[in-house]
Order: sequence, then C-alpha cells, then structure tokens
Amino acid sequence: DTAVSQTPKYLVTQMGNDKSIKCEQNLGHDTMYWYKQDSKKFLKIMFSYNNKELIINETVPNRFSPKSPDKAHLNLHINSLELGDSAVYFCASSQLARGDTQYFGPGTRLTVL
Amino acid sequence: KQEVTQIPAALSVPEGENLVLNCSFTDSAIYNLQWFRQDPGKGLTSLLLIQSSQREQTSGRLNASLDKSSGRSTLYIAASQPGDSATYLCAVSNDYKLSFGAGTTVTVRA
Repeated sequence: DTAVSQTPKYLVTQMGNDKSIKCEQNLGHDTMYWYKQDSKKFLKIMFSYNNKELIINETVPNRFSPKSPDKAHLNLHINSLELGDSAVYFCASSQLARGDTQYFGPGTRLTVL
Repeated sequence: KQEVTQIPAALSVPEGENLVLNCSFTDSAIYNLQWFRQDPGKGLTSLLLIQSSQREQTSGRLNASLDKSSGRSTLYIAASQPGDSATYLCAVSNDYKLSFGAGTTVTVRA
C-alpha cells in the first residue's frame, strides 16, 4: 500500500492553463504539506495543513490554492500557469505539525510550455 | 531565515569506502534535524531524525551527529555499497516547517 500518493506523476500543459495535483495519504496523519523542488533541486515548503486548517503559507503567489477536503487529502490547484511554475511538486504528511518525521509522495513533474 | 548548506555537492567513492556528508545551518533554534535520501525520479525517504536534545542517531550503517550550538550535522555511511548511490538531503525543523539543503549527490563505484 502506498503511504503518500500523488496524481498525476507527470503534467505537461500550456501557459495560462489551470491545473490540479491531487495528494492522498493513508497513514492517518493529521498534517499534510506541499513542497516545490526547482531545477536547482532546492526543496521549499509552500503550504501546510493540520486537521484541514492552513498553518503555513510561504509567500506563494495566490495563483496557487491548496484545498483539503479531509485530513487524508490535500490538493493543489494552480491558476494561470507560468513558465516559472515548472518544477517537481511533492506532497508530504506527518502525524504532528511540528518536529515530526515527514513522509513524502513520489512527486509530480509539472512542465509549462 | 534558516539557511541550510550541504558540502560537498557531489561525491564519488569506490565501494567499501566510508562516506562523510556535511550539513550546516544558520539558526540553531531547531526542533530536530532530518536526513533524507532521494533517488532519481522518486520521492524522499527519511533516514534518520535527530531531536535537538540528542547528539547522534544510528540506524544500521548510518550514523548522524548533531552539534546544535555550532549549527552542524554529519551523516556517516559505513562500508558504502553501489545501492547507496543517491542524493542525500539534510533538513532542519524550525517552528512548523522544514528547511532543506540542496543535497549531496553520492555515487558509489562498484
């Protein structure tokens, strides 16, 4: 059983389009995250939700909107895609919101043409 | 703002040699430090988590040390194997978030 899963694995789209990435965890964790890994391989936190409530929003453009329908799911919707949005997006989860081991999904490679 | 630096950026060693990976961070007010492994095209796998009150943590051939006051951690991998080839990421936990280094890419030659 996959602990943290993401769909799709690859996403290729045109500038200006709107797209969503889905994330699900079956670990029973209370906290979920979205990270962006750019071409230089730096991983940066974007958002964090604890029990469906937003606790971290790291100066991400408001074209990015996370949605948590329940504790097991955290989706990422991106409006008006730009070339600079091309990256690998990782979802992660942990039991605690602070100082706990995080479990990562396999990543979604987004390419904006 | 926490900044995490990993040295070296890349490392190539023959099989059997011990690996030493370094991580430094600027803000010593951390909750813990984690070491992750990332394989190409895959997600991250947690290797070790050291709480801020601990000095080291061990798992099999892996040993990680933490000197919080000087802002340093070292990951030791004993008797390296080709299967250890991957990128190793260091991440420190402040408040509610992890700050990552850029990673050290390790190649173990058979």
